[in-house]
Amino acid sequence: AQSVTQLDSQVPVFEEAPVELRCNYSSSVSVYLFWYVQYPNQGLQLLLKYLSGSTLVKGINGFEAEFNKSQTSFHLRKPSVHISDTAEYFCAVSKAAGNKLTFGGGTRVLVKP
Amino acid sequence: NAGVMQNPRHLVRRRGQEARLRCSPMKGHSHVYWYRQLPEEGLKFMVYLQKENIIDESGMPKERFSAEFPKEGPSILRIQQVVRGDSAAYFCASSQLAGGTDTQYFGPGTRLTVL
Repeated sequence: AQSVTQLDSQVPVFEEAPVELRCNYSSSVSVYLFWYVQYPNQGLQLLLKYLSGSTLVKGINGFEAEFNKSQTSFHLRKPSVHISDTAEYFCAVSKAAGNKLTFGGGTRVLVKP
Repeated sequence: NAGVMQNPRHLVRRRGQEARLRCSPMKGHSHVYWYRQLPEEGLKFMVYLQKENIIDESGMPKERFSAEFPKEGPSILRIQQVVRGDSAAYFCASSQLAGGTDTQYFGPGTRLTVL
């Protein structure tokens, strides 16, 4: 079975500052990795995903993430955040041969002016 | 192309009543997934369905919960005899293809409150 740990439940950050959201996973098989964002009272929107190939993945809204197999991590970064990035961010994995997503507990990002 | 639609967006039930949640996948998608988000927690997988088939129900509680995805019409998640612990946001997602690579697109969720 897979599991996902998001080490920070809340991350306050000032506008235009960089942010990094940490995600570690454990799995006995190959996995695909995802980051989703959830704005208040909305569903989840895919930011980016890692399937194979280059370990640096670029997503929407200026976000990127790096897959590190040896550290079983998939941290999300943005060099300069906006107020509109205030949301909850979820890291998720799925088995290469499976379908369901296993989510981490989420990281709430609060961007302050 | 309309996204995944869920209704109702908010549902209030008293203990012991039935809750029925509907999900219409994106056009052309034949794979539907239901997830539950309890307060202050991440999303937990419940069930994966294709048209007229339950593929994986490993996350469904053993009692009171059922799901279907008929040949015509939306997918339905049914909760019988609701209890306070069922209060949560229920999200539906759909994908076009099977397999872990295909993106799951999420609906806005149904927020169930059990009084």
